[in-house]
Amino acid sequence: LAKTTQPISMDSYEGQEVNITCSHNNIATNDYITWYQQFPSQGPRFIIQGYKTKVTNEVASLFIPADRKSSTLSLPRVSLSDTAVYYCLVGDLGVGGNQFYFGTGTSLTVIP
Amino acid sequence: ETGVTQTPRHLVMGMTNKKSLKCEQHLGHNAMYWYKQSAKKPLELMFVYNFKEQTENNSVPSRFSPECPNSSHLFLHLHTLQPEDSALYLCASSGTTLRGGNSPLHFGNGTRLTVT
Repeated sequence: LAKTTQPISMDSYEGQEVNITCSHNNIATNDYITWYQQFPSQGPRFIIQGYKTKVTNEVASLFIPADRKSSTLSLPRVSLSDTAVYYCLVGDLGVGGNQFYFGTGTSLTVIP
Repeated sequence: ETGVTQTPRHLVMGMTNKKSLKCEQHLGHNAMYWYKQSAKKPLELMFVYNFKEQTENNSVPSRFSPECPNSSHLFLHLHTLQPEDSALYLCASSGTTLRGGNSPLHFGNGTRLTVT
């Protein structure tokens, strides 16, 4: 299983772009990278998923370099409601490959 | 509404009690999961079920007993728990994509369990 490493915490002011980087040096060929957001006393919520290069949706962008040993979640113009813990997961999405292990995540605090 | 419903939201039980947590998913998914999240700790994967069959038991003590009667329902039966078992218990589900792989996890909002 590919292990992930993220910063424990980050602070940002409202309106700024936030980039959270995740390291996954032993990512396997079949592994995808998935990011989740979790608010206190709630279950994590899917944000974005990718395999390589760049993926963008209405919430965030995900940048993955060619070697795939890291990935960066980019949140544009954060607001106070983006204060949450963000988790990076790496795993095989193939049939039977659903042992989804969470790391410590990055606690993002958005400051007014 | 997440599509995954967990009941009860809060539960207080003594160490000699027997209780059950319930999870129901309305997403047509075929895989269901139990996670445990203790205060200020990462989520710990406990059990995985695929098409009602248990495919993962992550060294969970036998005082936690899962049951998956069908692909839409998942239970976690609890007996003789310890105070350190107090945590947020999260249920999740995932489906199968057109590629045949697994979709991202959909979580419920959890059951906050306190063992006294």
